[in-house]
Amino acid sequence: GAGVSQTPSNKVTEKGKYVELRCDPISGHTALYWYRQSLGQGPEFLIYFQGTGAADDSGLPNDRFFAVRPEGSVSTLKIQRTERGDSAVYLCASSPLAGAKGNEQFFGPGTRLTVL
Amino acid sequence: DQQVKQNSPSLSVQEGRISILNCDYTNSMFDYFLWYKKYPAEGPTFLISISSIKDKNEDGRFTVFLNKSAKHLSLHIVPSQPGDSAVYFCAARDSGTYKYIFGTGTRLKVLA
Repeated sequence: GAGVSQTPSNKVTEKGKYVELRCDPISGHTALYWYRQSLGQGPEFLIYFQGTGAADDSGLPNDRFFAVRPEGSVSTLKIQRTERGDSAVYLCASSPLAGAKGNEQFFGPGTRLTVL
Repeated sequence: DQQVKQNSPSLSVQEGRISILNCDYTNSMFDYFLWYKKYPAEGPTFLISISSIKDKNEDGRFTVFLNKSAKHLSLHIVPSQPGDSAVYFCAARDSGTYKYIFGTGTRLKVLA
């Protein structure tokens, strides 16, 4: 079956612009996570959805970052007024179960964002 | 404040030998620990996990050991194969928030 997909695979933008990154989780997966990975670091938690609602958005670095999952499936990570420091690989992961029962996560290939 | 630490950025092992990757953590609220393997330009792939109530979990060539008193876990790969060459991430789940915290990774190179 299809895994987690992310589009675009690469995005180059200019400082100050707005970008949207899309994640298509595995069908039927309840939980969806966004992470950011900078060079030489591990994935850094951004936000976690259970169904349509954001269960925990404490990892979003500031109010320029926002994510939605309106129908409990596809999610979009939105970044306003991009800065050079936002350059990283943005990873999405989904899990068949949420909360205490969730364990294994399935990751997408990531979107590499470059802000010039 | 790094709650999950992988202190060895890289490791080289001869094919057929054992690879041991280490991970230390500080948060006693972690209830699951996971190892992921990552190839370049791909997302991490789940390898093996262990609940905090266990001290060992084995799956084929991969075994994870958990020492709760030392807040330490390790991944053993035996025998190591050239295809195991990748970056390995240790991750821990916070039982209160269900957030996953990742280490910085260890690059394993298995030499043929």
